[in-house]
Amino acid sequence: KAGVTQTPRYLIKTRGQQVTLSCSPISGHRSVSWYQQTPGQGLQFLFEYFSETQRNKGNFPGRFSGRQFSNSRSEMNVSTLELGDSALYLCASSLLGANYEQYFGPGTRLTVT
Amino acid sequence: AQTVTQSQPEMSVQEAETVTLSCTYDTSESDYYLFWYKQPPSRQMILVIRQEAYKQQNATENRFSVNFQKAAKSFSLKISDSQLGDAAMYFCAYRPLSGGSNYKLTFGKGTLLTVNP
Repeated sequence: KAGVTQTPRYLIKTRGQQVTLSCSPISGHRSVSWYQQTPGQGLQFLFEYFSETQRNKGNFPGRFSGRQFSNSRSEMNVSTLELGDSALYLCASSLLGANYEQYFGPGTRLTVT
Repeated sequence: AQTVTQSQPEMSVQEAETVTLSCTYDTSESDYYLFWYKQPPSRQMILVIRQEAYKQQNATENRFSVNFQKAAKSFSLKISDSQLGDAAMYFCAYRPLSGGSNYKLTFGKGTLLTVNP
């Protein structure tokens, strides 16, 4: 079974631009979570989607948004990029239910200049 | 709010030796999961081991085992017979079992493990 895939792997953007990151979960997984990883703040939860609905959201500004499609693929969008948005963005997928594990993708490295 | 603390930013161990990574957490929940994740230089986050809080028996996965002390809210990871491939950043993580749809993972800051040949 293929793992979680994220595209693109690397991205360089300029301040003020917007960016869209994509995540394809493991086949059969309906939950997709997004995390931001930076050296200063560590790993922080952005949001989780399940069956195309956002179930949970972390403490990030409204510039960060996401969505999930009917095939469980998810996209994350960041508008009006700031230098501080430079980070590794990790996506994780899991099955439905409390007794599950999250499987992470390789991440997208976003650099904002 | 739940918090996870890893007090050792860096640790080192000789190949074939044993090392223990520490983790403490704070929560008012009684049921929850604890995890150790490994992140090698490739940045791929890999689940090492999982512990359910309602289980008294400590989880074990091959050379990896945990010492779970629920009353002390402590969850340490022991790596036996350390191998060069164990070198990575290790993250301790917490997730509540209940609480509606709140299934997010809360991570510690990580411990960078170096394995010396």
